[in-house]
Amino acid sequence: DTGVSQNPRHKITKRGQNVTFRCDPISEHNRLYWYRQTLGQGPEFLTYFQNEAQLEKSRLLSDRFSAERPKGSFSTLEIQRTEQGDSAMYLCASRPREGIDYEKLFFGSGTQLSVL
Amino acid sequence: AQTVTQSQPEMSVQEAETVTLSCTYDTSENNYYLFWYKQPPSRQMILVIRQEAYKQQNATENRFSVNFQKAAKSFSLKISDSQLGDTAMYFCAFKVIQGAQKLVFGQGTRLTINP
Repeated sequence: DTGVSQNPRHKITKRGQNVTFRCDPISEHNRLYWYRQTLGQGPEFLTYFQNEAQLEKSRLLSDRFSAERPKGSFSTLEIQRTEQGDSAMYLCASRPREGIDYEKLFFGSGTQLSVL
Repeated sequence: AQTVTQSQPEMSVQEAETVTLSCTYDTSENNYYLFWYKQPPSRQMILVIRQEAYKQQNATENRFSVNFQKAAKSFSLKISDSQLGDTAMYFCAFKVIQGAQKLVFGQGTRLTINP
């Protein structure tokens, strides 16, 4: 297993455009998280999936943000009508359903978004 | 709501020295986990150490150990015999055992190990 994979690694877009990021979790991890991280700050929770169900969503997430996890495998995070304040690193993490790593998050390398 | 505070934005020590990173948190919950995550310059975050609040014994992982003071809501990380590869951002994080599954992270401490 190669770990959590995120694509693209970098995305530059113009203000007002829509962007979509993809996360492929570790296979058989049924829990998936999205976080946002700005420079010099800690990760900020966005949303959480258990299998295909989106069970938690931050109140910080505006209506312009949407996430999906069809079939409980990969996940996508879409930002509509991007704003300069959306510029950040978007991190994905997955967690196994059981075992000694049950409470351990496995992070991807992130997608760096720059909104011009 | 839970909050996690790391009061040391940056720290710097010489290789082989011991360094302690501070973390405090605020919660009304009694059962929870605390974590230290490391984010090296390559930016992929990895778990360093984990502590269950119901365990009185402090967790240790090789050169890494914690000082967990539940009453004081304090959770510090000690790195012994520091190595150049320990240079990274370190984040303290909190998660309740029952209920919400999100981890709440602190602002981070940038640790530099100097040769």
